[in-house]
Amino acid sequence: ELKVEQNPLFLSMQEGKNYTIYCNYSTTSDRLYWYRQDPGKSLESLFVLLSNGAVKQEGRLMASLDTKARLSTLHITAAVHDLSATYFCAPEPRNSGTYKYIFGTGTRLKVLA
Amino acid sequence: NAGVTQTPKFRILKIGQSMTLQCTQDMNHNYMYWYRQDPGMGLKLIYYSVGAGITDKGEVPNGYNVSRSTTEDFPLRLELAAPSQTSVYFCASSFPGQSSYEQYFGPGTRLTVT
Repeated sequence: ELKVEQNPLFLSMQEGKNYTIYCNYSTTSDRLYWYRQDPGKSLESLFVLLSNGAVKQEGRLMASLDTKARLSTLHITAAVHDLSATYFCAPEPRNSGTYKYIFGTGTRLKVLA
Repeated sequence: NAGVTQTPKFRILKIGQSMTLQCTQDMNHNYMYWYRQDPGMGLKLIYYSVGAGITDKGEVPNGYNVSRSTTEDFPLRLELAAPSQTSVYFCASSFPGQSSYEQYFGPGTRLTVT
């Protein structure tokens, strides 16, 4: 059964600092998605990682995927307040023959001015 | 395109009542999903569908039913509401293998059962 762990669960950081959020998953998957959720809002797609070694960058965020290690990272560079949100990862469960997505627990990021 | 729409936005139910949460997408996506998100928690998959007439259980299906008679609509039925079903419900859609690998989420329905 697919299990997805994110860490840290909570992250409070100063503006201008760098940090990495980790997403580990337990079964084989060659695609992974990152989503952002603002408080009281729905989820919106952030990154789509479609193969081993995939790296995507947008602004101060960069995501990567290592399917062999079953690990994805979301790196924050020079954080700004606007990045404050909850970030979820979701590996695609294709290899199990189903589409029973399991989302990570989420990382609640708070960027302090 | 309106994307994924959900109705109602808010609802308060009494214990034992029933209701249907509506979800419609206009992107011609074949995959649709229902999730619940409890306060401060992640998302849990309730049911999903890979096309009209085809549905399957997710992680937490008990107390819910779904149907998929058209590509556009994927209603979620709550029978005999219980306080444990107090949550925010999100509907999502996707089209894996085409242009929309990722899921597109609706705005959510906030349900309280008292």
